[in-house]
Amino acid sequence: QVQLVQSGAEVKKPGASMKVSCKASGYTFTGYNMHWVRQAPGQGLEWMGWINPNGDTTYARKFQGRVTMSRDTSINTAYLELRDVRSDDTATYYCARDNSWYFFDYWGQGALVTVSS
Amino acid sequence: DIQVTQSPSSVSASVGDRVTITCRASQGIDRWLAWYQQKPGKAPKLLIYAASTLQSGVSSRFSGSGSGTDFTLTVTNLQPDDCAIYYCQQANTVPYTFGQGTKLEIK
Repeated sequence: QVQLVQSGAEVKKPGASMKVSCKASGYTFTGYNMHWVRQAPGQGLEWMGWINPNGDTTYARKFQGRVTMSRDTSINTAYLELRDVRSDDTATYYCARDNSWYFFDYWGQGALVTVSS
Repeated sequence: DIQVTQSPSSVSASVGDRVTITCRASQGIDRWLAWYQQKPGKAPKLLIYAASTLQSGVSSRFSGSGSGTDFTLTVTNLQPDDCAIYYCQQANTVPYTFGQGTKLEIK
């Protein structure tokens, strides 16, 4: 069965970088786009960007310059890196598989990143 | 960016009732809309995509309709397990955007 297992919770200081991983199993990793979505505590969902099977990326304008999405096909893992984090980056970060229609059919369990001095 | 606005922001209904949630896009998005259900502490779950296609494994009590700018999610024969926040998402144009959510409570 399809599974996306994310790395654990982190605490970061303002100005630091964060990196979340998402290990996929149960399907052909290189056959699907992977998206990243975040959710601040008690708030709604915010799309951050996606990486396609070729490794090409598309980022939301809001995050351009601070975000890098990458993947290691040898270990079926996608990564989200966000640099120069600030308090309003405190959120649960989700990876989500694209169902080939740009909708998200499988999600990771989420990784809570807290930015605090 | 395309804005998607959900209404109502919250709804309370009884077991067995029918509930409808609407989503309006700020510009036409054809049928590029999905609905998700999120329970506390859990990741969202895809219910409906392409406006009206039921995701595999999802109860047929959930249905979606609409195209262009106006969409609806209908839940029939409401069950206690349907208590959750429901989000719509447009996939017509990057950045993909979500509605603000509708909290469904069971009376």
